[in-house]
Amino acid sequence: KNEVEQSPQNLTAQEGEFITINCSYSVGISALHWLQQHPGGGIVSLFMLSSGKKKHGRLIATINIQEKHSSLHITASHPRDSAVYICAVKPGNQFYFGTGTSLTVIP
Amino acid sequence: GAGVSQSPRYKVAKRGQDVALRCDPISGHVSLFWYQQALGQGPEFLTYFQNEAQLDKSGLPSDRFFAERPEGSVSTLKIQRTQQEDSAVYLCASSFRQGGGYTFGSGTRLTVV
Repeated sequence: KNEVEQSPQNLTAQEGEFITINCSYSVGISALHWLQQHPGGGIVSLFMLSSGKKKHGRLIATINIQEKHSSLHITASHPRDSAVYICAVKPGNQFYFGTGTSLTVIP
Repeated sequence: GAGVSQSPRYKVAKRGQDVALRCDPISGHVSLFWYQQALGQGPEFLTYFQNEAQLDKSGLPSDRFFAERPEGSVSTLKIQRTQQEDSAVYLCASSFRQGGGYTFGSGTRLTVV
């Protein structure tokens, strides 16, 4: 049983394309995190959301708490955006992570 | 320091060897987590500390895994008698308070040969 489901699992895009990654979860939460993981394994926290929408540069994250769904959008994608994007929720003491979406942006 | 620091960055161990992985959280961060991430998988919870207290160790896969945080700051994850299935990236994350924003370390990539 996966508390967090992400789609798609793999995504290849041309540079400049608008990208959407989706996350659905089955547990009650107060916040959801979007993380970016590069090939070396290091993780960067992109957003922590509890409602509505947040924007940082070309990244936009939205969440619908009632529908238990969040999306991460990347506008004007660039090869340096190539990474694994992971959705994580924390209903209690620990995080539950999605398996990630592997994004490759081709020049 | 400015972020969560993990060391070593990479570790190759022979099967049966003991290893110790270190996590230096951001100064003052109370909550600390350890996660294990196998290749191609999302991170899996191992254990959680609130200051020096280990409040949840339900994710530790066997009694070969042991974590401590004796002074409520630096934490060490120890794996005894390593096996090939222990090969993974071990991630540490910390937060100033429970429910606050979390900062992740870069991870330690352990390869057991």
